[in-house]
Amino acid sequence: RKEVEQDPGPFNVPEGATVAFNCTYSNSASQSFFWYRQDCRKEPKLLMSVYSSGNEDGRFTAQLNRASQYISLLIRDSKLSDSATYLCVVKAGGSYIPTFGRGTSLIVHP
Amino acid sequence: DVKVTQSSRYLVKRTGEKVFLECVQDMDHENMFWYRQDPGLGLRLIYFSYDVKMKEKGDIPEGYSVSREKKERFSLILESASTNQTSMYLCASSPNPGQNYEQYFGPGTRLTVT
Repeated sequence: RKEVEQDPGPFNVPEGATVAFNCTYSNSASQSFFWYRQDCRKEPKLLMSVYSSGNEDGRFTAQLNRASQYISLLIRDSKLSDSATYLCVVKAGGSYIPTFGRGTSLIVHP
Repeated sequence: DVKVTQSSRYLVKRTGEKVFLECVQDMDHENMFWYRQDPGLGLRLIYFSYDVKMKEKGDIPEGYSVSREKKERFSLILESASTNQTSMYLCASSPNPGQNYEQYFGPGTRLTVT
């Protein structure tokens, strides 16, 4: 079983749509959670950290459900520029090494 | 602003050649990482280093070695390049685990072995 699982997609949505991605993790010792964004042929960059209480940054909302061991990312009012691969990242407390999911591809079309 | 730089964006090498990929970070981070990324397989950790001259094998170290002689520099070495090492190689750095933990990636080196 993969440690961090994501639906690879692609999720194909029109501009202005709301889209949500889920990510499940298997290590119950996981303490830190992140969403990274990777544009085509570019490096991954941190989009947002995911806190226990959930957090919001503009059109993006991240939630953590420890009981069910998943995190989610909600994007409202999708823009063409949101087209990218979204990587779920999980790290155990004190560990130096995060575990990456394989990513979910989002395509926003006009 | 954190900067992680890699020596080449694109590299073409022949089978059997020795290949050096260099990575430099300017944030005084303790930890540095080498990943490869292939379609459908995601990011896979090759090696990581938590201090100068210290290294740990990742998930796929076979065919690779690393060198960290200075804190800011982490090199990946392909001793004898093979076609199955054609891939995107990404270097990353991070501070020690803590409140503001984040991995910062370099722009990547797309290596083709012919």
